[in-house]
Amino acid sequence: AQKVTQAQTEISVVEKEDVTLDCVYETRDTTYYLFWYKQPPSGELVFLIRRNSFDEQNEISGRYSWNFQKSTSSFNFTITASQVVDSAVYFCALSEAGQNFVFGPGTRLSVLP
Amino acid sequence: EAGVAQSPRYKIIEKRQSVAFWCNPISGHATLYWYQQILGQGPKLLIQFQNNGVVDDSQLPKDRFSAERLKGVDSTLKIQPAKLEDSAVYLCASSFIWSYEQYFGPGTRLTVT
Repeated sequence: AQKVTQAQTEISVVEKEDVTLDCVYETRDTTYYLFWYKQPPSGELVFLIRRNSFDEQNEISGRYSWNFQKSTSSFNFTITASQVVDSAVYFCALSEAGQNFVFGPGTRLSVLP
Repeated sequence: EAGVAQSPRYKIIEKRQSVAFWCNPISGHATLYWYQQILGQGPKLLIQFQNNGVVDDSQLPKDRFSAERLKGVDSTLKIQPAKLEDSAVYLCASSFIWSYEQYFGPGTRLTVT
C-alpha cells in the first residue's frame, strides 16, 4: 500500500531563514502524482504544487522550490527567506494514477519574527 | 470565481444520531472528494466521485457512512449512526477531471458527544 512519511513533526525558524520540509513516499505504481498543500491557521487547505512521476524536473515558484528525486523516493519542499505568513501545517500527498490519495501527517512550520 | 462551498460549518450531535454534510464544488470541476481530518492528522480520503460515478471509496466505513453526488454537481455525505470517533473536520474538495489539483472547502467541524 502507498504511504507518505513526513518525519519532521514541527519546525521553528526565524524569519528570513531558509527551511526544507522533507517528504518520503512509497508506492508500487509507476504512474503516480505528488502534491504539497498548505493549511494555514484559518484551516482551509491550499494547493501548492503537483508533480507526476514522469517529470523529475525541479520547480521554483518565487520563494518556494521543490526537489523531486525518484531514486530516493523523496519530494522535498524548500522555502527561501521564510516569512511569518509561511507559518502553517504543510502536507505532502501521493496519488496512484489519480486515485488512492494519501496525505502525510504534516509538518507544522512556525516562522518567528 | 466562487470556491468550494460546504455547510454547515459546525455541527454538534450525540452519539447514535445521524448527520449530513453538503458540498457544492467549483463550477466545471467533474471530480469531487470527501475527506475526514482528525485533529493533528492529515486528511484521509473517504470517497472520490468523477461526475456521478464513484472512483474510490475504499476507506469509507460503509456500515455507517454514505455519500451521493446529485446530478454530478452537489454532494452529500451522511453518517448514521455517529460514533464518538467520528469527531473530526469533514473536508470537501474538487478538481478538473484528470487534473487532481484539489481545491478545498472550509470544512465542517463535527463534534460527537
